[in-house]
Amino acid sequence: GENVEQHPSTLSVQEGDSAVIKCTYSDSASNYFPWYKQELGKGPQLIIDIRSNVGEKKDQRIAVTLNKTAKHFSLHITETQPEDSAVYFCAASNFGNEKLTFGTGTRLTIIP
Amino acid sequence: GAVVSQHPSRVICKSGTSVKIECRSLDFQATTMFWYRQFPKQSLMLMATSNEGSKATYEQGVEKDKFLINHASLTLSTLTVTSAHPEDSSFYICSASNRGLELFFGEGSRLTVL
Repeated sequence: GENVEQHPSTLSVQEGDSAVIKCTYSDSASNYFPWYKQELGKGPQLIIDIRSNVGEKKDQRIAVTLNKTAKHFSLHITETQPEDSAVYFCAASNFGNEKLTFGTGTRLTIIP
Repeated sequence: GAVVSQHPSRVICKSGTSVKIECRSLDFQATTMFWYRQFPKQSLMLMATSNEGSKATYEQGVEKDKFLINHASLTLSTLTVTSAHPEDSSFYICSASNRGLELFFGEGSRLTVL
């Protein structure tokens, strides 16, 4: 089955700086890669996703890049703000079956 | 946007009792719902896939007789933790698929077994 690794597990960034979180996956059949933000005591919230036919996607301060050859994808957050502090999870799936395999999570702390 | 609602958000029960958690898709029909379990400071682990009108598919290592899943309608799936024990204390999260277009997650249900 799919295995998703995520690094780093914790990340502290000065407000205004950029944050990068990286994930690798093992199943070459995976073709859908979402990123979720989870705040304490809440369910995960989709912040951006990318499909395998695209190498990069951007939405305001958030961008995701995908390298299918190397089987890795990354989340980039620019101009970080205190409200970006949360736990971020990457995930992968073969979109047809919708079953997500999650990474281990990154606790992002934005330092004011 | 589409919303998935879970109830209750928090539940405390005594060891040996059963607890039911509901997952509802509020404005779309979900033929498939997923149940996840998340222990503190850990990732979400898929427990089972709930298919409307048929038996749920459980992931390896998940006891189907302990975690009963019922997906009786296109907008409701329930997870019943039977004979709960303290080690079942966890954050249970459901997700629902809007006909494969997007997955939406519920807000989660925190179960504490005393």
